[in-house]
Amino acid sequence: GENVGLHLPTLSVQEGDNSIINCAYSNSASDYFIWYKQESGKGPQFIIDIRSNMDKRQGQRVTVLLNKTVKHLSLQIAATQPGDSAVYFCAEKAGSGNTGKLIFGQGTTLQVKP
Amino acid sequence: DAEITQSPRHKITETGRQVTLACHQTWNHNNMFWYRQDLGHGLRLIHYSYGVQDTNKGEVSDGYSVSRSNTEDLPLTLESAASSQTSVYFCASSESKAGGPDTQYFGPGTRLTVL
Repeated sequence: GENVGLHLPTLSVQEGDNSIINCAYSNSASDYFIWYKQESGKGPQFIIDIRSNMDKRQGQRVTVLLNKTVKHLSLQIAATQPGDSAVYFCAEKAGSGNTGKLIFGQGTTLQVKP
Repeated sequence: DAEITQSPRHKITETGRQVTLACHQTWNHNNMFWYRQDLGHGLRLIHYSYGVQDTNKGEVSDGYSVSRSNTEDLPLTLESAASSQTSVYFCASSESKAGGPDTQYFGPGTRLTVL
């Protein structure tokens, strides 16, 4: 399953399928991006990050892709599990230096159907 | 293990009262942040600090204040609580190492209701 940016805030996928969550970021000068997962009643948890000098980074079952040309970030989750159900936020670093604030997207809700 | 904690986890107060939400981190991070999260608005930055005695206003700072007297704590104070401040509040921290990541680590949140 796949969503397109913030226009489809809920993504519903079948357990075992791959999920793709998309995010359009705003600042072409942003050099650092993060994906967070937020489960109901909890704070956002770090999933994976990527710097602008890379276009792909892989973690355990997750891959982040960065397309700087169109200012697009995506999170791919392989073999989606019920425990992946959550809201996913992308964030871009705002400002220069190592103390930059983060700008968060609105979030996409991922629903995994058993 | 190092962590970030918030207290209380739930708070109900009345309009006009002063409320302070606590945030404590044991990572020795220089940077600390306060956000509020409301449906339809995502995470909005209230105040942030880059170190002891440093505080800065975020995008929704009106009616809130912070102080940073040590590295571990950044309490958030609502001077005179308003119903519009009913929200879930998250504290976060990050390190400020040259060339290092800007990943922010979040606390569990405080759900505040202003009646």
